[in-house]
Amino acid sequence: QKEVEQDPGPLSVPEGAIVSLNCTYSNSAFQYFMWYRQYSRKGPELLMYTYSSGNKEDGRFTAQVDKSSKYISLFIRDSQPSDSATYLCAMKGTGGFKTIFGAGTRLFVKA
Amino acid sequence: DAMVIQNPRYQVTQFGKPVTLSCSQTLNHNVMYWYQQKSSQAPKLLFHYYDKDFNNEADTPDNFQSRRPNTSFCFLDIRSPGLGDAAMYLCATSRDQRGATDTQYFGPGTRLTVL
Repeated sequence: QKEVEQDPGPLSVPEGAIVSLNCTYSNSAFQYFMWYRQYSRKGPELLMYTYSSGNKEDGRFTAQVDKSSKYISLFIRDSQPSDSATYLCAMKGTGGFKTIFGAGTRLFVKA
Repeated sequence: DAMVIQNPRYQVTQFGKPVTLSCSQTLNHNVMYWYQQKSSQAPKLLFHYYDKDFNNEADTPDNFQSRRPNTSFCFLDIRSPGLGDAAMYLCATSRDQRGATDTQYFGPGTRLTVL
């Protein structure tokens, strides 16, 4: 079993839709949770990070962490064609350095 | 702008011919990482440097080596590339290794093709 599982998609939505992206994980030691966005042929860029459980909002993006279920989500409101990319979840434990990435979900937002 | 730069962006090499990929950073970060990412897969950490301290992942093949001559530069050497080494190679940096603020900043990647 992989430490981090992420549905590869692709996920195709119309412009303006609310998008929900999710990851599950198995290691209860993970405390820091990140979402990266990766455009085609580019390196990942950090979108959001969250410590432990709870919600965090930044503009159109909301990250949620449910540690009891080992489940994290990224919501994108009012999705735009420019949001079309691969979204990678990532996580790490306290005191450790190694970040574990999911394989990414490909998102297409159609105009 | 402070950034992570990788050269070249695209590299074609022949089976067995050594190749070196370059990464430089203007962030003055202590940690530099090398990842291998194959299509539709998660980035796989190969190794990292904390300052001059080299840390190899247990499952990184001996074919992969790295050098960090100074804070700003880090190199990935593939001594005898095989067809299975064709991938995107990502360099990343972070200020430190612990905590939520220790976010990783990625370069644009080098796409390696092995013929």
